[in-house]
Amino acid sequence: NAGVTQTPKFQVLKTGQSMTLQCAQDMNHNSMYWYRQDPGMGLRLIYYSASEGTTDKGEVPNVSRLNKREFSLRLESAAPSQTSVYFCASTPDINTEAFFGQGTRLTVV
Amino acid sequence: DAKTTQPTSMDCAEGRAANLPCNHSTISGNEYVYWYRQIHSQGPQYIIHGLKNNETNEMASLIITEDRKSSTLILPHATLRDTAVYYCTLIQGAQKLVFGQGTRLTINP
Repeated sequence: NAGVTQTPKFQVLKTGQSMTLQCAQDMNHNSMYWYRQDPGMGLRLIYYSASEGTTDKGEVPNVSRLNKREFSLRLESAAPSQTSVYFCASTPDINTEAFFGQGTRLTVV
Repeated sequence: DAKTTQPTSMDCAEGRAANLPCNHSTISGNEYVYWYRQIHSQGPQYIIHGLKNNETNEMASLIITEDRKSSTLILPHATLRDTAVYYCTLIQGAQKLVFGQGTRLTINP
């Protein structure tokens, strides 16, 4: 049981490049989340998916919940302001604990 | 908006009990109090949650006041590995998991 797996763990992009952050959970959870944590700051929720096939409005437009297991985040034309650690999380149901991945550390130069 | 207030930082001696307070004066009747922690730059880790009654598990105890306007997380015998940022948050129903700034707890030898 791997829990929540994020790939890649580290990434350096040049300004203007694009990439997709991948997240997968093997716990059959309904809800999935994307957070970002800027250097020295707290966690900020940037996208939420309540269930397979649904996504909420968030500050990043390109998210995809293709199936119950996978929740990806597409960063188009990256900017230095997007330098951050991106965490993915999942919860099985309401009022239950969330499980987090180990994060993707993104640097945009 | 996490609707909770926590001290920015706290210190505790190794082996002593660490008591972390959280104010949530506008808590509504069905909101649960959740605690998470983030060690260094790892993904956050669930600790404990409760609604009205005090709760205890292998990691910590949670004391919720009778009016539910505040709570305290207790780490009974703090170790150096408990140094982390501790987040208190409220969740009701299918609400999204949102974090505030948390308390940076430092355990000193």
